[in-house]
Amino acid sequence: IAGITQAPTSQILAAGRRMTLRCTQDMRHNAMYWYRQDLGLGLRLIHYSNTAGTTGKGEVPDGYSVSRANTDDFPLTLASAVPSQTSVYFCASSDSTSGSGELFFGEGSRLTVL
Amino acid sequence: GQNIDQPTEMTATEGAIVQINCTYQTSGFNGLFWYQQHAGEAPTFLSYNVLDGLEEKGRFSSFLSRSKGYSYLLLKELQMKDSASYLCAAMDSNYQLIWGAGTKLIIKP
Repeated sequence: IAGITQAPTSQILAAGRRMTLRCTQDMRHNAMYWYRQDLGLGLRLIHYSNTAGTTGKGEVPDGYSVSRANTDDFPLTLASAVPSQTSVYFCASSDSTSGSGELFFGEGSRLTVL
Repeated sequence: GQNIDQPTEMTATEGAIVQINCTYQTSGFNGLFWYQQHAGEAPTFLSYNVLDGLEEKGRFSSFLSRSKGYSYLLLKELQMKDSASYLCAAMDSNYQLIWGAGTKLIIKP
């Protein structure tokens, strides 16, 4: 593994189903983030974690939950998917929680909720 | 409220120069980022400015004016591979990034 790995790459999901998007990084970065990207909108932060064991809510957290049991993994769970959660989801990490911490992104998970 | 404005789409010719503008309004300011995103791919970091002035990095340069809440990304000697979306993001006082919707740059031969 090099960088950030997301899985699955793409998924079609029935409304009401539970779904977990996986994210793993091997850079030992302390901060990790989940964004969603929708056409015509900027990246929107769903949840973040400044360090293992802590998480925080971003701009659009409703319907999503995260956990950060260790430094490397930051899964995003949709408890009961709805069509408005159709989007491309990006996981990202940085080695600084402040200042010029460059974000490193995973390749994205394209989720379609029907 | 916090806001980032950048043009939705721009077109330029291979070999030419293009300037992509970005204006921002944030609660506090801790820097301005530019990312490049090719279609269907992840964003990748291009530049970071926190002080006024121009930062040059090869064919790409980024400028910041904090007093005007303004930045631009300058791309020189355009190549077809520069066709992508360019994302402007400002970091607020809580070190959260506020993202623009991106500028889709189309390069024509």
